[in-house]
Amino acid sequence: GAGVSQSPSNKVTEKGKDVELRCDPISGHTALYWYRQSLGQGLEFLIYFQGNSAPDKSGLPSDRFSAERTGGSVSTLTIQRTQQEDSAVYLCASSRDSNYGYTFGSGTRLTVV
Amino acid sequence: AQSVTQLDSQVPVFEEAPVELRCNYSSSVSVYLFWYVQYPNQGLQLLLKYLSGSTLVKGINGFEAEFNKSQTSFHLRKPSVHISDTAEYFCAVSGGSNYKLTFGKGTLLTVNP
Repeated sequence: GAGVSQSPSNKVTEKGKDVELRCDPISGHTALYWYRQSLGQGLEFLIYFQGNSAPDKSGLPSDRFSAERTGGSVSTLTIQRTQQEDSAVYLCASSRDSNYGYTFGSGTRLTVV
Repeated sequence: AQSVTQLDSQVPVFEEAPVELRCNYSSSVSVYLFWYVQYPNQGLQLLLKYLSGSTLVKGINGFEAEFNKSQTSFHLRKPSVHISDTAEYFCAVSGGSNYKLTFGKGTLLTVNP
């Protein structure tokens, strides 16, 4: 597609529920990233996928967070047993190669109540 | 490890005035530097990037930045701002084999009439 597409744009969930956030990267972009943006914390790296290589999960804050990328394209970020501190904007980005600068999606605003 | 410091959290200016948003970084390897802009309720958009070559980089919307290796800075400038430039601006760095972008905390630029 023309840009990075994220869905849903907004998600309100009850504490303890699981949520799935979806990212469709730009066609042909081999690298895909997830970042979290929250007040006072700035932008935090979560996870990185590059082609068929094992993902870099070093930024995931706890084992409640996981992500997968199917067929080298669409990615899903899953948060299990959501907590109020998970409330943030989750941003996905893709690039055609590392260190080239990312193209970001508009993000998913997650609110845990 | 890399880090980015954006020296001003907020910068208010009048329309048609010049502006400089300051960014300093630290890194033990050669770096790639980026400025992103985020308009309200939107994702991040790449303004400009320094990968190599000329230290003066021109980007979109009339912005430019200068890479200064000795001062480890990458300040963003615009000679005359518009109301529509009101947004949050993020400086970011990556380098070496580190594909992750490390972001600064952001600078909120507010352009007043």
